[in-house]
Amino acid sequence: LAKTTQPISMDSYEGQEVNITCSHNNIATNDYITWYQQFPSQGPRFIIQGYKTKVTNEVASLFIPADRKSSTLSLPRVSLSDTAVYYCLEVGTGFQKLVFGTGTRLLVSP
Amino acid sequence: GAVVSQHPSRVICKSGTSVKIECRSLDFQATTMFWYRQFPKQSLMLMATSNEGSKATYEQGVEKDKFLINHASLTLSTLTVTSAHPEDSSFYICSARDPGRSSYEQYFGPGTRLTVT
Repeated sequence: LAKTTQPISMDSYEGQEVNITCSHNNIATNDYITWYQQFPSQGPRFIIQGYKTKVTNEVASLFIPADRKSSTLSLPRVSLSDTAVYYCLEVGTGFQKLVFGTGTRLLVSP
Repeated sequence: GAVVSQHPSRVICKSGTSVKIECRSLDFQATTMFWYRQFPKQSLMLMATSNEGSKATYEQGVEKDKFLINHASLTLSTLTVTSAHPEDSSFYICSARDPGRSSYEQYFGPGTRLTVT
């Protein structure tokens, strides 16, 4: 059984940068890494995807080292509305594999 | 962006009855949809992959005769929980990928909260 683990929770303050890590102990060569945000009683929402090195979009950055055994989601300046659960997800070729991480509950305080 | 809807958003049923949950892609055609289950304060677990016009592919440990999946059109997949029991109470979420995009993004529905009494 694949083990894709994340810290259970993190606390931060408005305006700070938050880095959330995911361990990909059983990632396969062709798997992509994606990250999602989930609010209570809602479906997850896509944040970012990557394979290796660094990817940046308008809301986040994703860092993946050369060995791909981990990934780090970076949220540059969090606000209260970023309080949510964040999941990494390993996606295999053709979506044949879909393994969510254990999830990190981020709490942003004023 | 692409939108996926689910119906109903919340359902309460009695033990032994069956419940059907619908998942629709509203502005794109989805040849493949995915069904997940999420227990309180836990991660999402993939239950099955729904393929339009063919049989669903179930994950190990998921009973295909209990969780019936039908993907009869390019915009609709249904999950029927048969002979529901209290342990089936959970948050059921569907997702779809847009085959017109090369992204690995999935579009998730809002989820269906099932409570079996």
